[in-house]
Amino acid sequence: QPVLTQSPSASASLGASVKLTCTLSSGHSSYVIAWHQQQPEKGPRYLMKLNSDGSHSKGDGIPDRFSGSSSGTERYLTISSLQSEDEADYYCQTWGTGIRVFGGGTKLTVL
Amino acid sequence: QLVESGGGLVQPGGSLRLSCAASGFTFSSSDMNWVRQAPGKGLEWVSYTSSSGNTRYYADSVKGRFTISRDNAKNSLFLQMNSLRAEDTAVYYCARELYDSDAFDIWGQGTMVTVSS
Repeated sequence: QPVLTQSPSASASLGASVKLTCTLSSGHSSYVIAWHQQQPEKGPRYLMKLNSDGSHSKGDGIPDRFSGSSSGTERYLTISSLQSEDEADYYCQTWGTGIRVFGGGTKLTVL
Repeated sequence: QLVESGGGLVQPGGSLRLSCAASGFTFSSSDMNWVRQAPGKGLEWVSYTSSSGNTRYYADSVKGRFTISRDNAKNSLFLQMNSLRAEDTAVYYCARELYDSDAFDIWGQGTMVTVSS
């Protein structure tokens, strides 16, 4: 079954760009993942589904500032023109037979 | 939209039944899940049910204690939680899966469950 690994924290300046990484366990490079955002004291929000070839489909109302890309077992979420409301926890999610899996999450701080 | 209810304070060993009311989409065609988040921790998948309710999966941490079910006529999802432990303390979210994948695309706002004496 797949395992997802995320760095616990990241930071970037207001107006800058940041690239968050989600790493799939060995042997799972073809897996599709999803990215979710959780702002403080709120429920999670679906951002996008990201395929192994880097193609992605975003949820309703997700700004163009959010994009995804892939390389091997790495799945990336890039946020450009960072805004204060982007300060949140970001989780990647995938699935296998009879199981759904989350990464540990990355806490993004906007400086 | 998904709206959870039924959370509260329960003693260790007790039971609780969570509900999730769905609206704005065809609930009977949607696979559904429960996900929880302990205080200060990350998201943890708990359970899955297919659109018909015929297929159900559980995380090892809740297997044998929790039961997922649904009533498609009432657009409702449930989680029956028995033999509750302190480590089950968390916010519980229901989430819908996309029709063409297992990505969760709609989330509720969550309901808090506290297991304590």
